Amino acid sequence: SQTIHQWPATLVQPVGSPLSLECTVEGTSNPNLYWYRQAAGRGLQLLFYSVGIGQISSEVPQNLSASRPQDRQFILSSKKLLLSDSGFYLCAWRGLAGNIQYFGAGTRLSVL
Amino acid sequence: GIQVEQSPPDLILQEGANSTLRCNFSDSVNNLQWFHQNPWGQLINLFYIPSGTKQNGRLSATTVATERYSLLYISSSQTTDSGVYFCAARTGANNLFFGTGTRLTVIP
Repeated sequence: SQTIHQWPATLVQPVGSPLSLECTVEGTSNPNLYWYRQAAGRGLQLLFYSVGIGQISSEVPQNLSASRPQDRQFILSSKKLLLSDSGFYLCAWRGLAGNIQYFGAGTRLSVL
Repeated sequence: GIQVEQSPPDLILQEGANSTLRCNFSDSVNNLQWFHQNPWGQLINLFYIPSGTKQNGRLSATTVATERYSLLYISSSQTTDSGVYFCAARTGANNLFFGTGTRLTVIP
């Protein structure tokens, strides 16, 4: 069966520090991968998606970047965090020929 | 992208009551999913339902694709049903677009 792992679960970082959040999927090949952010407890905003290794599409301009160094690994990064980067970050995957999107447990990021 | 609207935004129920949550979407869809976000933030898949009706225990969902809406029914609500319910829709090869959710609170 397929599983998605996302870590860390919570993170407190100072303004100006770097960020690296990791997401991995097991039990499937060539998935579509997604990063979402949820602010203020409501509504998910799609940040990035990837249909293959090294292929990243950005939905909104921002202080963050994403990379996909391996087929089932998706990384969300920042060189210098801003206060406005605080939020709940969710990774998701969908099979190449599948219709259902599945989510990881999320990372709650607080930038102070 | 497609517009997804959910109503009501907030709902408070007495345990044991029934409820209906609505999701309207602005375009034809080939994918519609209902999710439950629990108090820890985990998004749980409830239904994949681009059309028709499905049931899973006390929950059921109906999507009328021609009229561009979907309904989620919760019967005999329990406190564990509390959380935020999201619907999300996709057209063609696009990505999923989420509604702003319905926050459900079930009180004992």
